[in-house]
Amino acid sequence: NAGVTQTPKFQVLKTGQSMTLQCAQDMNHNSMYWYRQDPGMGLRLIYYSASEGTTDKGEVPNGYNVSRLNKREFSLRLESAAPSQTSVYFCASSTVLAGTDTQYFGPGTRLTVL
Amino acid sequence: QKEVEQNSGPLSVPEGAIASLNCTYSDRVSQSFFWYRQYSGKSPELIMSIYSNGDKEDGRFTAQLNKASQYVSLLIRDSQPSDSATYLCAVGYNNNDMRFGAGTRLTVKP
Repeated sequence: NAGVTQTPKFQVLKTGQSMTLQCAQDMNHNSMYWYRQDPGMGLRLIYYSASEGTTDKGEVPNGYNVSRLNKREFSLRLESAAPSQTSVYFCASSTVLAGTDTQYFGPGTRLTVL
Repeated sequence: QKEVEQNSGPLSVPEGAIASLNCTYSDRVSQSFFWYRQYSGKSPELIMSIYSNGDKEDGRFTAQLNKASQYVSLLIRDSQPSDSATYLCAVGYNNNDMRFGAGTRLTVKP
């Protein structure tokens, strides 16, 4: 049981390049999330998916697209990377345990855009 | 606007003391409240969740919620050096939206 996995762990892009961040969970959770974390800014929600086949915008969706490929996988795509997208990206999945909505985070992807 | 405010710290307490972390939120329709701990270079992990006014205790941790004042706090009793981390306050809404504060960095000195 690996929990939430993310690939890659590190990535360097040039401005204008595209890439997809991959996320998978093996806990059979319905909900999945993508966050970015910048110094002094805390975590900001980019997109979330409450269930397979649905996605919704979070606080900072501009410049990103997502795909909920199936119940396990939720990918984040940067079509044309910009230096402002340099950040640490966390994927999370959640379930309700004993009445508590519990989010489990992946290890993160550290992205630098030059 | 869904804003979550925390004192960025750093907050420094001696080992064995009580650490008190505070958080305020702006949107009264907030449904659920969480405290996460994040060690440097690691991902956040859930410590406590609270949904109704009052106190909720779990071991050395107590979460307190006051919806009228739009205020949630976390008390850590008998603080240990291993509690040194950044603590993130998060507010959830009934559509799976979640907003985090910037975090408070806590240092527990031996």
